[in-house]
Amino acid sequence: DTGVSQDPRHKITKRGQNVTFRCDPISEHNRLYWYRQTLGQGPEFLTYFQNEAQLEKSRLLSDRFSAERPKGSFSTLEIQRTEQGDSAMYLCASSLDSRAEAFFGQGTRLTVV
Amino acid sequence: KNQVEQSPQSLIILEGKNCTLQCNYTVSPFSNLRWYKQDTGRGPVSLTIMTFSENTKSNGRYTATLDADTKQSSLHITASQLSDSASYICGSTSGTYKYIFGTGTRLKVLA
Repeated sequence: DTGVSQDPRHKITKRGQNVTFRCDPISEHNRLYWYRQTLGQGPEFLTYFQNEAQLEKSRLLSDRFSAERPKGSFSTLEIQRTEQGDSAMYLCASSLDSRAEAFFGQGTRLTVV
Repeated sequence: KNQVEQSPQSLIILEGKNCTLQCNYTVSPFSNLRWYKQDTGRGPVSLTIMTFSENTKSNGRYTATLDADTKQSSLHITASQLSDSASYICGSTSGTYKYIFGTGTRLKVLA
């Protein structure tokens, strides 16, 4: 499968715990995006990378959230001290460049209990 | 404020019927607009992309229109099938080419 891959697909965690998600973009895609989607809503932009550089972060990305993309390949999204409000689907997308189509992964569904 | 609004919120139609979904955007500067189909629990999949100069684009039974003057787009589905049941999300890019999405229209096709 040469699409965008996200791991894990599902994560259940207790409030206060830290979680980390991984996204493997399509090979040679320079841009990588993270979105968050809650039930009945569209995806909300969190942050994006151009190669290894994080170029923009949404105000939704509080201090408890951090994203990295070392070496411009895969990316990780970490949430520290999770809260129930963090429960959502976290979507990763990648594109060849700024104007190309963004392909989404299947998402990681986080449930904070 | 960059914003994308979709209507209706949900729609139920019988198999074989046509339907039209609406998207209004206030995104500036405008680059392009995409319609995505999202099955429950899955990531969105692109159906079609519209740029400023395009009025109509088709992808099989899906036809998208764009009116750049009124900042409106529509997605018309012809001869609906049960597999068309999904959420349809409209997304428009702002200056940095990140997408801003609407809340989607949940379509249910009944046999």
